[in-house]
Amino acid sequence: GNSVTQMEGPVTLSEEAFLTINCTYTATGYPSLFWYVQYPGEGLQLLLKATKADDKGSNKGFEATYRKETTSFHLEKGSVQVSDSAVYFCALSRFSGGYNKLIFGAGTRLAVHP
Amino acid sequence: NAGVTQTPKFRVLKTGQSMTLLCAQDMNHEYMYWYRQDPGMGLRLIHYSVGEGTTAKGEVPDGYNVSRLKKQNFLLGLESAAPSQTSVYFCASSLGTENTGELFFGEGSRLTVL
Repeated sequence: GNSVTQMEGPVTLSEEAFLTINCTYTATGYPSLFWYVQYPGEGLQLLLKATKADDKGSNKGFEATYRKETTSFHLEKGSVQVSDSAVYFCALSRFSGGYNKLIFGAGTRLAVHP
Repeated sequence: NAGVTQTPKFRVLKTGQSMTLLCAQDMNHEYMYWYRQDPGMGLRLIHYSVGEGTTAKGEVPDGYNVSRLKKQNFLLGLESAAPSQTSVYFCASSLGTENTGELFFGEGSRLTVL
């Protein structure tokens, strides 16, 4: 079946540190891959996406590359800020049953300290 | 630009009571979804709708009912609330068949069942 596995949190970093949040997936075929972010008290919002192998999604200094050979979509940022503190969800999308089914990982909480 | 709006934001129920969560979107999206978010489990799909007048079951539909009488509204009902339904509920919407998998989320509704 289709599934997404993320590294467990919380991840605690100092401001300007390098961030990596690991995400691997299991899926048949070639799903689209996403990172969503949830800031405190808010709903999820799309951070970046990639729709085919070797694509790199990027937004707000975050990047993730669709790696088919390792079935991974790790999220990275070179220098985190306090405002990046949030919960990050990796997800895959497959069209099934008449709609695009989005399967989420469990989420990784990031806390950035000054 | 309101996007996806959920009401109420917070609610406390006693076991056996009923309630309805309302979701409204102003983006003319075809697809709408109800998810629940529980610690360590990410988001799980309860029910979804691919158009006005249609609904379908997701991963965890038991104990919930939905209706989509108007394109812009998607209602989630609990007929007889149970403590296991204590959760944060998120509504989301997306485009129709041209959808690339991006969902737009509301801010969430926190439900506590005593």
